[in-house]
Amino acid sequence: DTAVSQTPKYLVTQMGNDKSIKCEQNLGHDTMYWYKQDSKKFLKIMFSYNNKELIINETVPNRFSPKSPDKAHLNLHINSLELGDSAVYFCASSRTSSGVNEQFFGPGTRLTVL
Amino acid sequence: SQQGEEDPQALSIQEGENATMNCSYKTSINNLQWYRQNSGRGLVHLILIRSNEREKHSGRLRVTLDTSKKSSSLLITASRAADTASYFCATDGDAGGTSYGKLTFGQGTILTVHP
Repeated sequence: DTAVSQTPKYLVTQMGNDKSIKCEQNLGHDTMYWYKQDSKKFLKIMFSYNNKELIINETVPNRFSPKSPDKAHLNLHINSLELGDSAVYFCASSRTSSGVNEQFFGPGTRLTVL
Repeated sequence: SQQGEEDPQALSIQEGENATMNCSYKTSINNLQWYRQNSGRGLVHLILIRSNEREKHSGRLRVTLDTSKKSSSLLITASRAADTASYFCATDGDAGGTSYGKLTFGQGTILTVHP
């Protein structure tokens, strides 16, 4: 009964490939997020969806495309992977999009681009 | 750009001692949150303090907020080996604005508690 789950946990791929990461939350939350954590542990928000609607879209290359088929799922597709995309990607959710809510994080997906 | 700066970057203490971590930020905020990240795991929410609060407690955690200095501190009392983790502060948006839950994280403090 994991609250926020991500698959896969590890992803190793070659430059130029396209890959997807999936995220699911069973908390009944309205809002979901994607974060990128680099090798220096710096965590930066990429996207956020509220009830399937995109509400935060940070300056991210358009090779990254999020998709939310329903409010319990938020997937991240990455085209033409580059070396600099190597990082840990975290999905998170919160009850609403209000900033007073705590965010619940998934276990992360470690992406390595060779 | 990065909102929070944390200090120290790394802290090493003995079990039973207190650990204090500091966070400074640049813009006005609605609230500030602290998260813990164990190695190889996701972040776990610890505590939230609103911009109109000065101090908050939760178990062995004590958080202070000084909006005039744009800084916050997290104190862990009577530390345990299980407290070993990275600790991040995160700020929510510009005061009075709509942040849509956009949290801006500091660079984190790595805490090591030796048994």
